[in-house]
Amino acid sequence: GQQLNQSPQSMFIQEGEDVSMNCTSSSIFNTWLWYKQDPGEGPVLLIALYKAGELTSNGRLTAQFGITRKDSFLNISASIPSDVGIYFCAGSRGSNYKLTFGKGTLLTVNP
Amino acid sequence: SQTIHQWPATLVQPVGSPLSLECTVEGTSNPNLYWYRQAAGRGLQLLFYSVGIGQISSEVPQNLSASRPQDRQFILSSKKLLLSDSGFYLCAWSVGDEQYFGPGTRLTVT
Repeated sequence: GQQLNQSPQSMFIQEGEDVSMNCTSSSIFNTWLWYKQDPGEGPVLLIALYKAGELTSNGRLTAQFGITRKDSFLNISASIPSDVGIYFCAGSRGSNYKLTFGKGTLLTVNP
Repeated sequence: SQTIHQWPATLVQPVGSPLSLECTVEGTSNPNLYWYRQAAGRGLQLLFYSVGIGQISSEVPQNLSASRPQDRQFILSSKKLLLSDSGFYLCAWSVGDEQYFGPGTRLTVT
């Protein structure tokens, strides 16, 4: 089936540092989504991207929909301890109601 | 606004016992509904999805089943649990591409 390659698998950073993670695919997606999951909770939608080349911000978060429609990245600026969690990318082809998820990036922020 | 509920929040069941997990959505009509399982180590595995009452699509053959008796109710069941059924079960809804997740049920099969 379709695969999303999400990297890095984990990151250990100091508070205040910027973070970047990305997802790539061999297939084209019509929509890219980024989620954050806190321990023991369900994933929460952070940003949705619908157009190739689109750059969208949500507070300290910025995400982009790659021009080729096969990749997306998420940046977090000036990280804080509550940014800790697992970040997932997901792609939709828009025709079958399903999302393809990356395996997640585990972010640890040291205060 | 829309909300999604799951219960129970945690469950410990012996091997061979039955299972019923429930998910309900408020504030939207005719949503697509999904059941995912997340094993330790993070990946989200889609188990079932439904685009309408009584319509269930299964993604992974296993001893689980799903039903959608009402528009905004989605139930995950098993007649006999296996040890390998342990995990974090997530329900989600969507109207369009964006999926919104519930708080999850932590199932431990002993």
